[in-house]
Amino acid sequence: GNSVTQMEGPVTLSEEAFLTINCTYTATGYPSLFWYVQYPGEGLQLLLKATKADDKGSNKGFEATYRKETTSFHLEKGSVQVSDSAVYFCALSDGTNAGKSTFGDGTTLTVKP
Amino acid sequence: GAVVSQHPSRVICKSGTSVKIECRSLDFQATTMFWYRQFPKQSLMLMATSNEGSKATYEQGVEKDKFLINHASLTLSTLTVTSAHPEDSSFYICSATLGPDTQYFGPGTRLTVL
Repeated sequence: GNSVTQMEGPVTLSEEAFLTINCTYTATGYPSLFWYVQYPGEGLQLLLKATKADDKGSNKGFEATYRKETTSFHLEKGSVQVSDSAVYFCALSDGTNAGKSTFGDGTTLTVKP
Repeated sequence: GAVVSQHPSRVICKSGTSVKIECRSLDFQATTMFWYRQFPKQSLMLMATSNEGSKATYEQGVEKDKFLINHASLTLSTLTVTSAHPEDSSFYICSATLGPDTQYFGPGTRLTVL
């Protein structure tokens, strides 16, 4: 079956530091890949997505590239802010039904001023 | 973007009672909605797929008689936790899809069973 493995957290960074959260996946076929962000006490918000190999998703300074050869979708941001503190989830779907997504365990990011 | 709401945002109930959680798509019609459960500091677990006008499809290991799902209209799905017990305490999140690649989540409902 499908699976998503995320870098274990928690991750603590100083403001303006570079962020990388690793995500690798196992799937049959050609999945779509997603990063979601969850702020405390809230539901998930779509951060970015990529639907085919070599696509780069980007939003709010975050970006991730769909690497089929390494089955990875690492999240990066060049300069984090305190407001980026949240839990980040990597996920995949089979491309036909986003609702039946497989999620990674989540990585908690804390950014300190 | 599309908005999905949930009500209530928090509920505390006594053991043995039933609790209903509503999930609404506010500006689009959703023939399919999804219910997830999230334990503290853990990922989301898909519980069931809610289909408008037909029976829900439950994931393996989820008790359908315990977690009743009704999708009576194109904008509303409800999850009823029947005879709730403390182990049912969790964060319940619904979602609705708009197209094959886009999923919108509700803000979640924190259920605490005393």
